[in-house]
Amino acid sequence: DAKTTQPPSMDCAEGRAANLPCNHSTISGNEYVYWYRQIHSQGPQYIIHGLKNNETNEMASLIITEDRKSSTLILPHATLRDTAVYYCIVRLTNTGNQFYFGTGTSLTVIP
Amino acid sequence: EAQVTQNPRYLITVTGKKLTVTCSQNMNHEYMSWYRQDPGLGLRQIYYSMNVEVTDKGDVPEGYKVSRKEKRNFPLILESPSPNQTSLYFCASSPRTGGWTNEKLFFGSGTQLSVL
Repeated sequence: DAKTTQPPSMDCAEGRAANLPCNHSTISGNEYVYWYRQIHSQGPQYIIHGLKNNETNEMASLIITEDRKSSTLILPHATLRDTAVYYCIVRLTNTGNQFYFGTGTSLTVIP
Repeated sequence: EAQVTQNPRYLITVTGKKLTVTCSQNMNHEYMSWYRQDPGLGLRQIYYSMNVEVTDKGDVPEGYKVSRKEKRNFPLILESPSPNQTSLYFCASSPRTGGWTNEKLFFGSGTQLSVL
């Protein structure tokens, strides 16, 4: 069963904030939420991760709801180079060793 | 430069001809993993390794073998490739520092395999 649910695609105007949602209603207490992105067919690239608190780095911000059942990745000023597939990931607790990627959200930044 | 290196980048082969895709990391990571990516199916884990001589099946292990004789290398072996193994393959590694829930993956550039 999928551990995360993301919309298959989204559009965002260049220069505007891109808000990518993710549902992870079965997340366990010690599981982190990770975000990766994949540009064309390159290897996925780490963006950010968090446990409970909101996180921010040079690439993005991560907002996690208080019940931890959902999160939002925010790209504050989207550029054309942010066009990519974005994956929201939690680890599977039955093994503790697998990263389940799913199919992600294809973000298109429009000029 | 810290990186995960896969070779080859592109590979075309025929059904039944054994092949190996190599993966090497220079970051002294304990965890390594192989994924395949197919249109509409996202990234699916094939095998992973927690450390030298320790390997486990992921979601789609059928038709693949792996070995972890050294910490830095984690080759993916297709003993008898079939057309349904045509895919884009990624190797990844991750450090292990304390708990396993707070580690990020580093990916290679990918290997595009076509089995005719």
